[in-house]
Amino acid sequence: DTGVSQDPRHKITKRGQNVTFRCDPISEHNRLYWYRQTLGQGPEFLTYFQNEAQLEKSRLLSDRFSAERPKGSFSTLEIQRTEQGDSAMYLCASSFLEYTGELFFGEGSRLTVL
Amino acid sequence: DQQVKQNSPSLSVQEGRISILNCDYTNSMFDYFLWYKKYPAEGPTFLISISSIKDKNEDGRFTVFLNKSAKHLSLHIVPSQPGDSAVYFCAASASYGKLTFGQGTILTVHP
Repeated sequence: DTGVSQDPRHKITKRGQNVTFRCDPISEHNRLYWYRQTLGQGPEFLTYFQNEAQLEKSRLLSDRFSAERPKGSFSTLEIQRTEQGDSAMYLCASSFLEYTGELFFGEGSRLTVL
Repeated sequence: DQQVKQNSPSLSVQEGRISILNCDYTNSMFDYFLWYKKYPAEGPTFLISISSIKDKNEDGRFTVFLNKSAKHLSLHIVPSQPGDSAVYFCAASASYGKLTFGQGTILTVHP
């Protein structure tokens, strides 16, 4: 399977704990995006990378959130001191550098903060 | 500030009939529009797209129409099939691939 993969698929944690999600994009894609989706809403943009450079961050991405893509391949999204409002589906997507508009999404990592 | 809106949370149609899903946007900088389909426990999958220089794009049973003056687009599915039952998201982009999504419309196609 050469699609976008995300790990873990589901994470349950207690408020105040740190969590980290990993995304492995399609190998030849040099753009990688993180989105968040809550119940009844569409995906909301969080941040994106072009190779290893983080080019844009949404205001939704508070200082408790940090994303990295150290070698321009996989990416991690860490949430520190989780809050119940962080409970959501975290989606990763990738695309080619050349603008096509189409993003390829992974299956998502569902976070539940108790 | 909801730049992309899907005002119908749900739509129910009979198998074989046409499904029409609607989407409105406010940002004039958007120049590329897409529809994604999402099944439960899966990520969104690309369905069809249209550039702002066109007003129609067709792919099999799926057609997307764009009315730039009204800042409105629609997705037509004909004939509808039970397997089309899913959540449909409208999305828009301003030139560099970051997508802004609508809230989604749940389509149910009854046999």
